[in-house]
Amino acid sequence: NAGVTQTPKFQVLKTGQSMTLQCAQDMNHEYMSWYRQDPGMGLRLIHYSVGAGITDQGEVPNGYNVSRSTTEDFPLRLLSAAPSQTSVYFCASSYSMAASGYGYTFGSGTRLTVV
Amino acid sequence: AQSVTQLGSHVSVSEGALVLLRCNYSSSVPPYLFWYVQYPNQGLQLLLKYTTGATLVKGINGFEAEFKKSETSFHLTKPSAHMSDAAEYFCAVSDGFQKLVFGTGTRLLVSP
Repeated sequence: NAGVTQTPKFQVLKTGQSMTLQCAQDMNHEYMSWYRQDPGMGLRLIHYSVGAGITDQGEVPNGYNVSRSTTEDFPLRLLSAAPSQTSVYFCASSYSMAASGYGYTFGSGTRLTVV
Repeated sequence: AQSVTQLGSHVSVSEGALVLLRCNYSSSVPPYLFWYVQYPNQGLQLLLKYTTGATLVKGINGFEAEFKKSETSFHLTKPSAHMSDAAEYFCAVSDGFQKLVFGTGTRLLVSP
């Protein structure tokens, strides 16, 4: 059981480039989400999905796109990278959005630097 | 709306000393409460959780937390710190209906 798998682990982009951060889970979780983690700011929710075909914005969605065509995958797209998007990105999943007694399962993260 | 407050962005202890990381929550219904740990350059992993029943919850690596409804608290403790406990710790709350809400984290520093 691999859990939540994120690729790549590290990435350097030039300003204006685009890229996709991959997230896959094999636990049949309906809920998936993306966070960014910056020093002193904790975890901030970017986008989330409560099932295939359903996505919604979190608190910091600007500059990011998502789609959910399958239960397993939830890619995060940066359309035109900016230095402000330099951060560590985490994907998390759960049986449901509210997590209830399960909590969220996190991937190991993608460290992105935009120069 | 639910919320979480973690007092102290950094906590420093000596090896062998008591670890106490504070978490207070706000929730309009009985909450589900979680502590996560993040070791350097890794993702968050579940340390322990409170759902229902016994208010003293034991987790991995000797950590435990007590749910105190009257104080709206869920503080994390460990009797004797180890160097390997140095990490960032996040408290989180769920009301069973909305997304999990995370605190801003507390970095635990352990000195020899």
